[in-house]
Amino acid sequence: QKEVEQNSGPLSVPEGAIASLNCTYSDRGSQSFFWYRQYSGKSPELIMFIYSNGDKEDGRFTAQLNKASQYVSLLIRDSQPSDSATYLCAVTGGSYIPTFGRGTSLIVHP
Amino acid sequence: DADVTQTPRNRITKTGKRIMLECSQTKGHDRMYWYRQDPGLGLRLIYYSFDVKDINKGEISDGYSVSRQAQAKFSLSLESAIPNQTALYFCATSGKTGVEEKLFFGSGTQLSVL
Repeated sequence: QKEVEQNSGPLSVPEGAIASLNCTYSDRGSQSFFWYRQYSGKSPELIMFIYSNGDKEDGRFTAQLNKASQYVSLLIRDSQPSDSATYLCAVTGGSYIPTFGRGTSLIVHP
Repeated sequence: DADVTQTPRNRITKTGKRIMLECSQTKGHDRMYWYRQDPGLGLRLIYYSFDVKDINKGEISDGYSVSRQAQAKFSLSLESAIPNQTALYFCATSGKTGVEEKLFFGSGTQLSVL
């Protein structure tokens, strides 16, 4: 059983701080890694994709991948109340089937 | 118009009833998926299809069936609904490789089985 683990939270950070969201996965053959954001009652939307070790930055978001440690993280700089949502980590391997973690709830308070 | 359209948006039904959730897409993707989401459990895969003639069970397929009527249409059926199938259901599509593997989701169907 391929597993993707996330701390369910909630993670609470003050506005303007850095939010750090973490995800570990069990399948060493995993190839592609995604972070989705889901607002309450809405469908998930992709915010970051990474497939090689290291950091990938897009605006206020940075994804970090460490395949040796089977670990992927998402950093949100200058957090805003509008970033309050559930963040889902998804991983695909050789089967190309996305497996999701349970999600981490982020609360950014003014 | 939405790229991935699910109908209905909400459905209340009774135990034992047969219901169908429908999904259509204009992305031109071959790959389509059905997920269910329960509070605190994330998204769990019910069925997936990589092309019209390919149907595969996901991790929680018991009690569900699917039909891929065309590249653009993928429906999910509950033959005899039970209360623990109350959940939020998402249809999704994707491309084949790299960043194209990202999922495009429909707006979801909130199903309640009484």
